[in-house]
Amino acid sequence: EVQLVQSAAEVKKPGESLKISCRGSGYSFPSYWIAWLRQAPGRGLEWMAVIFPDDSDTKYNPSFQGQVTISAHKSSGTVYLQWSSLKASDTAIYYCARPVNNWSLDAFDIWGQGTLVTVSS
Amino acid sequence: EIVLTQSPDTLSLSPGESATLSCRASQNVSGSFLAWYQQKPGQAPRLLIYAASSRATGIPDRFSGSGSGTVFTLRISRLEPGDFAQYYCQQYSTSPLTFGPGTEVDI
Repeated sequence: EVQLVQSAAEVKKPGESLKISCRGSGYSFPSYWIAWLRQAPGRGLEWMAVIFPDDSDTKYNPSFQGQVTISAHKSSGTVYLQWSSLKASDTAIYYCARPVNNWSLDAFDIWGQGTLVTVSS
Repeated sequence: EIVLTQSPDTLSLSPGESATLSCRASQNVSGSFLAWYQQKPGQAPRLLIYAASSRATGIPDRFSGSGSGTVFTLRISRLEPGDFAQYYCQQYSTSPLTFGPGTEVDI
């Protein structure tokens, strides 16, 4: 079964760093794009970035460029999303997702379960 | 970026009825690269329709999509209790990918 399993919920303070993860299984991990999406209260769903694990080709939404970093570790089948300095406005559920046609810009048919990130002093 | 608007905000219906949800784009969605998702509380979105009218794996034919250009529609026939949820459209013709604000289908 194709699955994306995300890391557990996090509670952080403003200014702290964070790295969350998404592990793929049941398919050839390096050969499929993986995206991160954000769902914040009152802001709906937002596409943040996408990566091709085999060569780490990445594309970012300009709204998130410079705010987060997407990366991949091929051998462990894991994609990461990291922040160097969190803000309260980063509070949201973060999903990783795999595209249906394996394009960098695509719809998503496989989703992780979501990681809730809470940033509060 | 392409801005998607969805209407209505909320659709109040009963089981057995049909639902028609609309998604309008601020500019042409080339290739009809538009998808529809269903999301229930506490769950990740579930892909229903991609390429405007292609059903995703395992989606019943009660769900159908249509449209092109800037106007797209999701129809749900014979509503079942499990269909009452939030529905989002998403375009993937142009970066950045964008989503509509959603339509809630409730009882």
